Order: sequence, then structure tokens, then C-alpha cells
Amino acid sequence: GAGVSQSPSNKVTEKGKDVELRCDPISGHTALYWYRQSLGQGLEFLIYFQGNSAPDKSGLPSDRFSAERTGGSVSTLTIQRTQQEDSAVYLCASSLVGTGSGNTIYFGEGSWLTVV
Amino acid sequence: GNSVTQMEGPVTLSEEAFLTINCTYTATGYPSLFWYVQYPGEGLQLLLKATKADDKGSNKGFEATYRKETTSFHLEKGSVQVSDSAVYFCALNSGAGSYQLTFGKGTKLSVIP
Repeated sequence: GAGVSQSPSNKVTEKGKDVELRCDPISGHTALYWYRQSLGQGLEFLIYFQGNSAPDKSGLPSDRFSAERTGGSVSTLTIQRTQQEDSAVYLCASSLVGTGSGNTIYFGEGSWLTVV
Repeated sequence: GNSVTQMEGPVTLSEEAFLTINCTYTATGYPSLFWYVQYPGEGLQLLLKATKADDKGSNKGFEATYRKETTSFHLEKGSVQVSDSAVYFCALNSGAGSYQLTFGKGTKLSVIP
């Protein structure tokens, strides 16, 4: 597709349930990122994938969060045993290369997660 | 570590007013600097960027100059329009080998007719 595609766009889940958020990056982009945007907190880096390298998981807030990227393309962010503080917009992004400071990162429209 | 500080919002301006949104940063190395914009109901879009000191990024009438001496990257526009109403984020990437963007908390701009 023309841009980064994310699904679902909105998800309401009960506390304690697991959720999966999907990201389809721009075709040909080797780098994929997940960020979290919480109200009043700005954007928080979660995880980064680059090609076949081991992902950088340093931003994941707890072991309830995990992500995978299959075939170097689509990525899934999984949150287990959701808590109310997980409510946020989860943004996926991709870029053509993963290094170089002038690299432009393109964002999807986000998945709005509400935990009730 | 890296950090970005931008002016708190919300900012409300009348149409055709001059806009400045301040952004200062702390970073190691030689960062690249970005402004992203998020229009209501849409995702983040790159507005402009600058990759080295004294560079000026510009787009859609917005501009920002990379000032290393003051570690700043203030966003300006000479005459805002209602369609500029959005949340603006300043961000940095701290240099070669780095892939993370560090964002400010965002500044909400509302332009009224």
C-alpha cells in the first residue's frame, strides 16, 4: 500500500484480556518501529525491527508486551493481560533504512486501545 | 540521554497571525531534528527536518532553523490558517547508527477564523 497500515483502528477490551495489534509497513521498508502515544505523555518508543537483525526491545514497558515481525514485513504487537494503564494509541512506523540520522520515518494512523 | 522540550500548549491564534512554537533539545553527537504534525483524526506526518547545524527545513510555509549554539529548532509560520490546526511534535534522532526518534510532548495549535 501507499502508507503504513494499522489494524484495528480502535479496540476496546476488558482488563485482563490479551490484544493483538497489526502493522503493515510501506513496501520495501526494512525498518519497523512501534511507539505508544499516551494522553499528555508524548510518544514513547517501544520496539524496533531492522531486517533480520535481533529487534531492539529496550522500550517495552513490561514483559506483558511483545512483538514479532514475520517475513520482514508485517508486525504484530501483543499485549497480554491488559491493564487500564495500557490504554493509549499504538503507532507503527517504517523507514527505508534503519540508520542515519536524516532518515525519514513514516507513521501509520495508529490503533487506539481502550482497556475497561 | 536525549530529550526534547517544546512549549506547552494549547496555543490559540487568529487566522493570519504569526506562529512560533519553541523547541530545545539535549543530545549526544550530531542529531537530526524534525517537526511532525498530527491533524485531527490522522496519523503523524513529517512536516520538515534539518540534518546539520544552520540548516533550515521548510514546508507548507513552515520553517525551522537548526541552531546548535542554542540547541533549538523553533517552528515558525508567518501567517497561519485554520487548516493548520493540529498537534505539532518536535523530535530528534541522535546520529549515525541511531534509529530512535525522541519526541517532545506536542503542542496543540488551534487557529480561529
